[in-house]
Amino acid sequence: KAGVTQTPRYLIKTRGQQVTLSCSPISGHRSVSWYQQTPGQGLQFLFEYFSETQRNKGNFPGRFSGRQFSNSRSEMNVSTLELGDSALYLCASSEPGHNTEAFFGQGTRLTVV
Amino acid sequence: QQQVKQSPQSLIVQKGGISIINCAYENTAFDYFPWYQQFPGKGPALLIAIRPDVSEKKEGRFTISFNKSAKQFSLHIMDSQPGDSATYFCAASIGGGATNKLIFGTGTLLAVQP
Repeated sequence: KAGVTQTPRYLIKTRGQQVTLSCSPISGHRSVSWYQQTPGQGLQFLFEYFSETQRNKGNFPGRFSGRQFSNSRSEMNVSTLELGDSALYLCASSEPGHNTEAFFGQGTRLTVV
Repeated sequence: QQQVKQSPQSLIVQKGGISIINCAYENTAFDYFPWYQQFPGKGPALLIAIRPDVSEKKEGRFTISFNKSAKQFSLHIMDSQPGDSATYFCAASIGGGATNKLIFGTGTLLAVQP
């Protein structure tokens, strides 16, 4: 089985722009979660999607949004980028069920200049 | 209450030694405690996980010890090898099928010296 695929791997954007990141989960996985990783704040939960519905959201401003498509692929969008949004954005997929293992992609490194 | 506290921040161990990383939590609703390993440039990968009805779980050289009353759990890496040098994260989640949201500790950078 192919792993979780995130595109692009690296991205440089200017403050004020918006960005869309993509995540293709492992085949058969219907739950997709997004995390932000920074040296200062560590790994922080952004949101989780299951069967095209957001079922949990972390403490991030409304500039951060996401969606999931019928094939379970997910995108996250950050609008009006700020310098502090520079981070590694990680996507994880898992099978539906109770506390199933989350498989992470390699992440998208976003740099805001 | 949603925090998971992890220590130490960094750890240096000699090859063949035992690496011990500790985590503590407050929210008694947590019911799943995984440990993740992350190498530079890679996403975290699950090492081992435990549920609160078990006090210890061992997989190869990796062991989780869980103390429900103290709300603490720890990772022990026996016979540590240079290839184990990575960042380790503990995590916790509240399951029940409603969510797979993971709350992560701050991470421990482990260096195993040859």
